[in-house]
Amino acid sequence: DGGITQSPKYLFRKEGQNVTLSCEQNLNHDAMYWYRQDPGQGLRLIYYSQIVNDFQKGDIAEGYSVSREKKESFPLTVTSAQKNPTAFYLCASKGTPAGENYEQYFGPGTRLTVT
Amino acid sequence: SQQGEEDPQALSIQEGENATMNCSYKTSINNLQWYRQNSGRGLVHLILIRSNEREKHSGRLRVTLDTSKKSSSLLITASRAADTASYFCATALTRAGTALIFGKGTTLSVSS
Repeated sequence: DGGITQSPKYLFRKEGQNVTLSCEQNLNHDAMYWYRQDPGQGLRLIYYSQIVNDFQKGDIAEGYSVSREKKESFPLTVTSAQKNPTAFYLCASKGTPAGENYEQYFGPGTRLTVT
Repeated sequence: SQQGEEDPQALSIQEGENATMNCSYKTSINNLQWYRQNSGRGLVHLILIRSNEREKHSGRLRVTLDTSKKSSSLLITASRAADTASYFCATALTRAGTALIFGKGTTLSVSS
């Protein structure tokens, strides 16, 4: 998980509440990503950012929002508009936006449960 | 959009045996990567193969890529109990830093 931290590891919220998941990296990476993983499924892209103050929607952005005010930080807010927010959320970063052969480094994940 | 599909979904073997996982994808790619995920943890990068490469080795891992068939395989030789994990292939469509597209993964169970 080196260099990327996600907090908290487990998060419980009531339906209708917004919740923000933290993602911090000290790898000096430009690009950062948020994925959602449901049981037995692969990763689906929520949002990504290739550079500070810029981000793009992924495949399942509805009900989520992000910000990228600092290179090190890419927080994800799960809003009450997200119909099925209970999932495992993974943050990742990559060396440079144009680095086509750079691997992604993943954080340990946050398991969000909404009841 | 699910690009990669791994096969089989689950694989159970004994320690010392080889494990082979396959990945098929739909569109042209720049590179294909394999990742490993231990239960409840983040993913760890294993190996990357570029679209102009056919085979790559890293320790006990061997990856092949057949762009004409849009498929890749990951071979783990002499499996150990510690190899028990889920394995995902991920494709990068272009060189321009777009996000990876992951398959649903193969769950490997190695018993001692």
